[in-house]
Amino acid sequence: AQSVAQPEDQVNVAEGNPLTVKCTYSVSGNPYLFWYVQYPNRGLQFLLKYITGDNLVKGSYGFEAEFNKSQTSFHLKKPSALVSDSALYFCAVTPQRGGNNRLAFGKGNQVVVIP
Amino acid sequence: DADVTQTPRNRITKTGKRIMLECSQTKGHDRMYWYRQDPGLGLRLIYYSFDVKDINKGEISDGYSVSRQAQAKFSLSLESAIPNQTALYFCATSDRKGSSGANVLTFGAGSRLTVL
Repeated sequence: AQSVAQPEDQVNVAEGNPLTVKCTYSVSGNPYLFWYVQYPNRGLQFLLKYITGDNLVKGSYGFEAEFNKSQTSFHLKKPSALVSDSALYFCAVTPQRGGNNRLAFGKGNQVVVIP
Repeated sequence: DADVTQTPRNRITKTGKRIMLECSQTKGHDRMYWYRQDPGLGLRLIYYSFDVKDINKGEISDGYSVSRQAQAKFSLSLESAIPNQTALYFCATSDRKGSSGANVLTFGAGSRLTVL
């Protein structure tokens, strides 16, 4: 079965500094990988996904993520964090074959951007 | 109006009561899902449905049941609620076209359930 590890509970970063949220995954075969963000009292919103091709994926709000197959990682990055980026971030994975859109989510990382 | 609407948004109930959470969508998506969110555990899949006549168990279906009344409606029931079912519940939808495994989920705003 597929699984995701998000090792840090909370990531604190100063406004304007680079932001990285870590994700490693386990899946049978090749993965589809996703990042979602949850703002307070809201549902999850899609940020970006990796399907195939270029390992660097660009998404919404200036976020990007790099797929590294050898390290089974899909870390989320933003060059310059904003206070409005403070939210809960979830990484998710499903296998390309037989996944049927059944995503396995990580536990989430709380990002706090300090003004 | 939201693409995926969940009702109620908040509910407090007592142990042993029957509870229904409802989800309706205007996305025209075939696939609908119910997830449960607990702090430190992320989201876990309860049930999912790929069309009106298709219902599948997720990883934590015990104590829950679902009904797909129409393409746009998918309800989650707790027949006899217990305190460890206190959680935030999300409905989500996705399209089945193309590489369906890569389709993005659209989430509702969530239903917070407290079982006393």
